[in-house]
Amino acid sequence: GENVEQHPSTLSVQEGDSAVIKCTYSDSASNYFPWYKQELGKGPQLIIDIRSNVGEKKDQRIAVTLNKTAKHFSLHITETQPEDSAVYFCAAHMDSNYQLIWGAGTKLIIKP
Amino acid sequence: KAGVTQTPRYLIKTRGQQVTLSCSPISGHRSVSWYQQTPGQGLQFLFEYFSETQRNKGNFPGRFSGRQFSNSRSEMNVSTLELGDSALYLCASSFVGVKDEQYFGPGTRLTVT
Repeated sequence: GENVEQHPSTLSVQEGDSAVIKCTYSDSASNYFPWYKQELGKGPQLIIDIRSNVGEKKDQRIAVTLNKTAKHFSLHITETQPEDSAVYFCAAHMDSNYQLIWGAGTKLIIKP
Repeated sequence: KAGVTQTPRYLIKTRGQQVTLSCSPISGHRSVSWYQQTPGQGLQFLFEYFSETQRNKGNFPGRFSGRQFSNSRSEMNVSTLELGDSALYLCASSFVGVKDEQYFGPGTRLTVT
């Protein structure tokens, strides 16, 4: 079955610097890759997603890149701010099993 | 518009008991998914309902069950609780399903003693 590995589990960066979180997936049939942000005491919230027919997508300070050959995708956050501190989850979806498979999460800490 | 609501927010049960959790999706959303979240394990998919039908189920034992009503509200039930069932249970709603943006509720924190 599909498996998603996410690294690192914890990432600490200086405010203003960039942060990169990486995920790899096992099934080449996966075709949808969302990223969710979870703040303390809240449910996850979609921040950006990408489909398999696109290599990169940007939304202001956030970008996601997808390498289908290597079966990995990454979240890039530039000019990090204190409000970026949260747990970030990647996920992958295949039409055949109709569910999202989630990574274990990355705790992002922004140091002032 | 009102977000996804889950009740209760916190619950303490003892082993062997059963529990029912409730989820009210965003108005107009017909898909409701349930997830179990434990530290370091990410989100584990339990099941998804669409228009009162279970469309998919994750790898959980039969003690975990759910249903969806005609107004799209959903409940999940866990029978014969075990200590390992202690977790945050999240509900998410969307218009068409898991490939659509999912809106999560705040979760129900279940503690089994």
